[in-house]
This record gives sequence, C-alpha cells and structure tokens, in this order.
Amino acid sequence: EVQVLESGGGLVQPGGSLRLSCTASGFTFSIYAMNWVRQAPGKGLEWVSTISGSGGTTYYADSVKGRFTISRDNAKNTLFLQMSSLRAEDTAVYYCTKEMTSGSFLVADPFDLWGQGTMVTVSS
Amino acid sequence: QSVLTQPPSVSEAPRQRVTISCSGSSSNIGNNAVNWYQQLPGKAPKLLLYYDDLLPSGVSDRFSGSKSGTSASLAISGLQSEDEADYYCAAWDDSLNGRVFGTGTKVTVL
Repeated sequence: EVQVLESGGGLVQPGGSLRLSCTASGFTFSIYAMNWVRQAPGKGLEWVSTISGSGGTTYYADSVKGRFTISRDNAKNTLFLQMSSLRAEDTAVYYCTKEMTSGSFLVADPFDLWGQGTMVTVSS
Repeated sequence: QSVLTQPPSVSEAPRQRVTISCSGSSSNIGNNAVNWYQQLPGKAPKLLLYYDDLLPSGVSDRFSGSKSGTSASLAISGLQSEDEADYYCAAWDDSLNGRVFGTGTKVTVL
C-alpha cells in the first residue's frame, strides 16, 4: 500500500526543538520531492517546506525560514523536519505529502499523497 | 496571511451546483497551475483537481476546474451530502519562491 506515516509530534516549550519524521512505503521514495504542510487548530492549510528527491534542493515558507530544516534519508525512506526556536504560532498538525510527478522538481506539481498528520503543541 | 483568497463558505441544496473562487495575482495563479484539495471533517486533505482542470483517478466528474487570468474556480455539480468539506486552492508563487494555499472554503449542503 502506498502511504506516508508521520511521527514525532508532541508538547514542547516555546524556544524548544522537535524533530518530525515521515516514513514512506509502497513507492520509490528517492525519486519524488516531498513536503511538509501544517494546519493550526481550526485554521487553513499552510505550506511549510519542500525537498527535492535527491535532497539537494529545498524551499521554505518565510514563517519558518532559519528555524526549520527539511531533510531526507533515501536509504531509509524517511523524511524529516527539524524544528527549533519553536513559537506558539507553530502549534499545528503537520502533514507529510508526496509530489505527484517523479524526477525533476516541478513547481506546479500537486500533492497526491498525504499522511494523517502529527500534532505539535508549543506551550509552557 | 494567504495570498490566495477564497470565500469563507458556500451553501446550496442537494443536486444543485456551487462554484468556489480562488483569487490570486500574476505571481501565482497568473503564471502557474492551480491545484485543489478537499478536506473532509476530521480527515487529511485529498487531491481533488490538478493543473487547473485535471481530475485524479477515482475523483468524481461532478468536480471541475477552470482558470482565467489571476483567478481560478472549482465547480461541484449535482451536490451531495458527502461533498460537505473544506476546499483549498493552491499554487506556486514566483515572488515568494514557494507554495501558497487559499484561505479555504467550507461547503455546506442544505
């Protein structure tokens, strides 16, 4: 079955750090760009970050630039999001998503696979 | 604050047609394809339409998309209770050098 499964969410204090993981199965992980998308409680979707299949190219939303780092381990079919200097406004469900098209990164490509999400709560 | 604007909510009776607008600018919708996502209550989002007007396999042809200039639209015909969900448009933004989502629209079937 083609799926992605997020883990690593939890409660963290403001200023703290957390690393999210996303384990992929059922497809050739290394040839697809991957993303993190988040959704604050009762709010809309917000794109967070994208990484190319090789890991050589990354993009970040301005709201997380300099604080979050996206990476991947293609040998272990796993995507990561290292989050630091966390703020209350980072509280959200974080979704791991797969791009539809394999090979070269396409800016217009849709997200054709979503995980169920992992909740991150930043609070003292 | 999203750069793609959608109406907060739309409602219509069963079997009727609704249209959801997504308004952007030349740096996003005006120059890049639009994708649409459906989020059922309590669930993860799901791809509904891609590259402006293409249907993924398994998605009902009651859903259709269009784009003109810096705006895009999602239409749902033959509205059914199972269509009650939040709908989001999305596109790449050349100025921000990243993806942007719309503000989201809640569809209610009366």
